[in-house]
Amino acid sequence: GNSVTQMEGPVTLSEEAFLTINCTYTATGYPSLFWYVQYPGEGLQLLLKATKADDKGSNKGFEATYRKETTSFHLEKGSVQVSDSAVYFCALPPMDSSYKLIFGSGTRLLVRP
Amino acid sequence: NAGVMQNPRHLVRRRGQEARLRCSPMKGHSHVYWYRQLPEEGLKFMVYLQKENIIDESGMPKERFSAEFPKEGPSILRIQQVVRGDSAAYFCASSQIPGAANTGELFFGEGSRLTVL
Repeated sequence: GNSVTQMEGPVTLSEEAFLTINCTYTATGYPSLFWYVQYPGEGLQLLLKATKADDKGSNKGFEATYRKETTSFHLEKGSVQVSDSAVYFCALPPMDSSYKLIFGSGTRLLVRP
Repeated sequence: NAGVMQNPRHLVRRRGQEARLRCSPMKGHSHVYWYRQLPEEGLKFMVYLQKENIIDESGMPKERFSAEFPKEGPSILRIQQVVRGDSAAYFCASSQIPGAANTGELFFGEGSRLTVL
């Protein structure tokens, strides 16, 4: 079945540093891929998505490209801010469902001033 | 524009007690999903409900766990005779349409953190 593997955290960066959080997936076909973010004290919210191979999702300065060759969907940001400190989850739906999501274990990002 | 509301945010129970977690979906949403996050793990699907119906409970443990979404009021996740292994964060999500996972239109609450002593 479909699955997702995400790099372990925590990731600690200084403000304005470059961010990469790795996510690789195993899937039948080409499901949509998602990054969710959970800010402290809040629920998960969709950060960005890509619905087909080679698509690039982007939002709030974050980007991720759906790469079928490497089965990856790495999250990147060129210059992080303190306000980006959060837990980031990579996710995809299972092959046989339109309403479930399979989540990675989450990567905690801490950005220091 | 209230989001998905979960309560309590934190709940402490002793082994053998019951835990009830509540979820009020976003206004206009009739689809509710419960996920559990064990320490150091990702969120795992538990159950999908529509008003008064359980659509898919394939992720629910067979015993002690139950869920409902009555015609009126919030969805309830009930855990009877809690054990230490039930300690986790329980997240509720809601959507306006049933196929929301494919489009990312799931809206999550802040979670309820259950600690079993």
